[in-house]
Amino acid sequence: DQQVKQNSPSLSVQEGRISILNCDYTNSMFDYFLWYKKYPAEGPTFLISISSIKDKNEDGRFTVFLNKSAKHLSLHIVPSQPGDSAVYFCAARIEYSGGGADGLTFGKGTHLIIQP
Amino acid sequence: EAGVTQSPTHLIKTRGQQATLRCSPISGHTSVYWYQQALGLGLQFLLWYDEGEERNRGNFPPRFSGRQFPNYSSELNVNALELEDSALYLCASSLEMGITDGYTFGSGTRLTVV
Repeated sequence: DQQVKQNSPSLSVQEGRISILNCDYTNSMFDYFLWYKKYPAEGPTFLISISSIKDKNEDGRFTVFLNKSAKHLSLHIVPSQPGDSAVYFCAARIEYSGGGADGLTFGKGTHLIIQP
Repeated sequence: EAGVTQSPTHLIKTRGQQATLRCSPISGHTSVYWYQQALGLGLQFLLWYDEGEERNRGNFPPRFSGRQFPNYSSELNVNALELEDSALYLCASSLEMGITDGYTFGSGTRLTVV
């Protein structure tokens, strides 16, 4: 049972336009969400995160929105640039009261292609 | 500063054999995490080590095991290899226990079981 779902395997966006990557989750215990970006032959790199007590977090061109009632989050990239072409993974975490955290639960990823 | 390094880059093994994958964390990082990315799947959490101890493991059989050495480097061992173990194995490290924002991933070891 996949707890973090990225239903779009790929997304093509024109350079300069907005890219919107979506992610749905099923486990209501998740309280922290992250986006990672992965280039071929490299490991994923952390991009942006959001706590469940917030509904928006912004960092430069990247904004993550969280809709807890819908168990949905999205990553907006504005404006999209050629270097943004990569696979984007959504990830979620349960923070235990005892400190530390379980491993991240990742989605399958969305391949974003920025067209010139 | 050197990043997370994994070796070997590629590994080909025969079904039933054992595979050993290695990971060196960023200097000063004490937590090491292992993930499996099989074809068509997201990253699946395997193991988490901190200060030499296994802190948590994902939903994988016992033939997936590992350890963390005093210098915080880590080894992942996969015994009795099966064809479906073919995947990219990623190691990540972090400065503090359980801080997932601070994950730094290595480039991975591509394991192929034939």
